[in-house]
Amino acid sequence: KAGVTQTPRYLIKTRGQQVTLSCSPISGHRSVSWYQQTPGQGLQFLFEYFSETQRNKGNFPGRFSGRQFSNSRSEMNVSTLELGDSALYLCASSEKPFNSPLHFGNGTRLTVT
Amino acid sequence: QQQVKQSPQSLIVQKGGISIINCAYENTAFDYFPWYQQFPGKGPALLIAIRPDVSEKKEGRFTISFNKSAKQFSLHIMDSQPGDSATYFCAASTGGGNKLTFGTGTQLKVEL
Repeated sequence: KAGVTQTPRYLIKTRGQQVTLSCSPISGHRSVSWYQQTPGQGLQFLFEYFSETQRNKGNFPGRFSGRQFSNSRSEMNVSTLELGDSALYLCASSEKPFNSPLHFGNGTRLTVT
Repeated sequence: QQQVKQSPQSLIVQKGGISIINCAYENTAFDYFPWYQQFPGKGPALLIAIRPDVSEKKEGRFTISFNKSAKQFSLHIMDSQPGDSATYFCAASTGGGNKLTFGTGTQLKVEL
C-alpha cells in the first residue's frame, strides 16, 4: 500500500498570502489529522477529520482551517500567512479516529518570507 | 496538564549499548502512549505503543516500560545500532485518539 502522500513537498510564500496543502491518506484510511512541526514548539496537533467532519481542533488561530473530501483526501489552508507559520506541516492517517495506528506522511515544508 | 515531558534532549550511545528515553505526563486521562521515530526529511514513524493496562511491551529490540502510579513511561532500545540514530518522540492521547500530545523529542546518536 502506498503511504500518506503530501503535496507539495516544499513551498515558499510571502507574508499575507494564503496557502493550501494537500494530503492523500493510505487507501482505506478514513481519519486524517494534521500536525505542525517547528524547532521551537515541536509537534503540535492542528485538527482531525473523519468522514468529512472535523472531530478535533488544536489551539491554533482561525487562519488555520481544513477540510476532508468524500474520498478521504484532505486539505489544510492557512490564510494571511505570518513569518511564524514557517514549519513542516505533517498529515497523518488512520483507519478510524481511535484505537488505530496513526501513520504520518513526509510533510510539506512551508517557508514564509 | 496537557504536557508530556521528555528527557534527555540528546543521547549518545555506543553500538550494542542500551538507549533509554524517558517521558512523564500529568493528565491522568491519557490512555494511549505511542513512540515515534523520525529521520531527517521524513515524517514520524510509529515504533511501538502501550496502554496503561500493561506495564511493559516489547517488539524486537524496542521495549516500552510504563509506570502508571508515577505517570512515567520509557523507551528502551536494546543492542543499539547506527541505523537507530534518529529523533524519538513520545506521545499521549485520550480515548486512544489521534489528538496526540508529543514530547519535545530526543536526538539519539549511536556511535561505532
